[in-house]
Amino acid sequence: AQSVTQLDSHVSVSEGTPVLLRCNYSSSYSPSLFWYVQHPNKGLQLLLKYTSAATLVKGINGFEAEFKKSETSFHLTKPSAHMSDAAEYFCVVSDRSNTGKLIFGQGTTLQVKP
Amino acid sequence: DTAVSQTPKYLVTQMGNDKSIKCEQNLGHDTMYWYKQDSKKFLKIMFSYNNKELIINETVPNRFSPKSPDKAHLNLHINSLELGDSAVYFCASSPNPGYGYTFGSGTRLTVV
Repeated sequence: AQSVTQLDSHVSVSEGTPVLLRCNYSSSYSPSLFWYVQHPNKGLQLLLKYTSAATLVKGINGFEAEFKKSETSFHLTKPSAHMSDAAEYFCVVSDRSNTGKLIFGQGTTLQVKP
Repeated sequence: DTAVSQTPKYLVTQMGNDKSIKCEQNLGHDTMYWYKQDSKKFLKIMFSYNNKELIINETVPNRFSPKSPDKAHLNLHINSLELGDSAVYFCASSPNPGYGYTFGSGTRLTVV
């Protein structure tokens, strides 16, 4: 069965410093992986996705993630945090069955300090 | 135009009542989903329909019943509401498995 573990429930960075949100996955076959962001009292927005093409995936708002099969990781990074990046981030795996079911991690709250 | 729209955005109701949440997508996607987000922000799938056919029915109380009149609509009806049903319910759609979803903005249900 597929699962994801987000290693940090809360990350705090200063504006202008790098962001690293960690995610490990478990899958019996090559997974599709996603990062979603949820701003306070808002819906979920797709940041980026990995579907077995390039292992370094670039997303919106300067975010990127690298798929590392040997480490079963899909960490999200951004070189320089902006105040507007403060939100909840979810690492997600798809079971790639014909149902398209997504399995969410527990979420990481990103705080950006001025 | 909103891609996936849910109504209402907020719903406050008393225990024991019956309520419905509506979802519509104008993306032409074949598959639609209902997810529940609890107070700890954990998201879990409830139901999925592919072109009006139920394909995912997770362990959800029978009080919850999805209905899909056509592939652009997926409604969620909840009978005999309980305090534990308070959550944010998200509708989503996808063109095909593994592609990722487009989410609606959510319906915050509060049962008092």
